[in-house]
Amino acid sequence: DQQVKQNSPSLSVQEGRISILNCDYTNSMFDYFLWYKKYPAEGPTFLISISSIKDKNEDGRFTVFLNKSAKHLSLHIVPSQPGDSAVYFCAAITGANNLFFGTGTRLTVIP
Amino acid sequence: EPEVTQTPSHQVTQMGQEVILRCVPISNHLYFYWYRQILGQKVEFLVSFYNNEISEKSEIFDDQFSVERPDGSNFTLKIRSTKLEDSAMYFCASFRNPFVYFGPGTRLTVL
Repeated sequence: DQQVKQNSPSLSVQEGRISILNCDYTNSMFDYFLWYKKYPAEGPTFLISISSIKDKNEDGRFTVFLNKSAKHLSLHIVPSQPGDSAVYFCAAITGANNLFFGTGTRLTVIP
Repeated sequence: EPEVTQTPSHQVTQMGQEVILRCVPISNHLYFYWYRQILGQKVEFLVSFYNNEISEKSEIFDDQFSVERPDGSNFTLKIRSTKLEDSAMYFCASFRNPFVYFGPGTRLTVL
C-alpha cells in the first residue's frame, strides 16, 4: 500500500521557469512532510520540510505547499536551473516515527 | 551538517556469497533504515530498526537479509546468499524526528 504517491514519474521544464512537483498521501496522521533530491549514484539529500500544522514553507528558490484537505503537497522551484535536474522524492512521517517515501519524480531542466 | 557514512562504496561479490554492508548513522538518532535502488528503478524500503530490533520490514526483506547494530555505532545489513537481483545501490538512513539523513550508498554488484 503506497501511502505517499508521486504520480508523475518525470517532468521537463525550461531553465528560468517554475518547476512544480506534486505528491499525494493517504494517511491523515502524517506529522511532517519532506522533500529530498537525489542525483544518480548518490544518497538522497534533504531539501525542505513542512509541519502538518503549516501550509507553506519557503527556503530560497524552494517552496513547499501543503493542502491537508486534499492530502496534497507540492514543491515549487523558481527559477529552475539546470543543476536542479535530479530525482525528487517526497516523504512523510507519522507521530509513531514511521517514514514513508514516494516513488520519485525525475526533473529535467532544459538550458 | 550531520553525516551518515557507508562502507564500502562499492562491493562486488559472487552469487551465493554473503555480504555485509556497513553504515554509521548519526550518533543521537534513534531510528535507522535501509533502502535500495535497483538501477533505473524506484527507491525501495527494506527495513526499519529501533531500539535494537526491527520495527518494520518490506516483502523484499526475506530471511536472506538481516540487520544488527552490534556496537552501538555501526548499523549493518547482511545478505546471506546473494542473488543476481540483489545488485543495487543500498542506502542507509538515520532518523530523529523530523530530520532524516541518508548515507551516500553502497553499490552492490552480484556476478
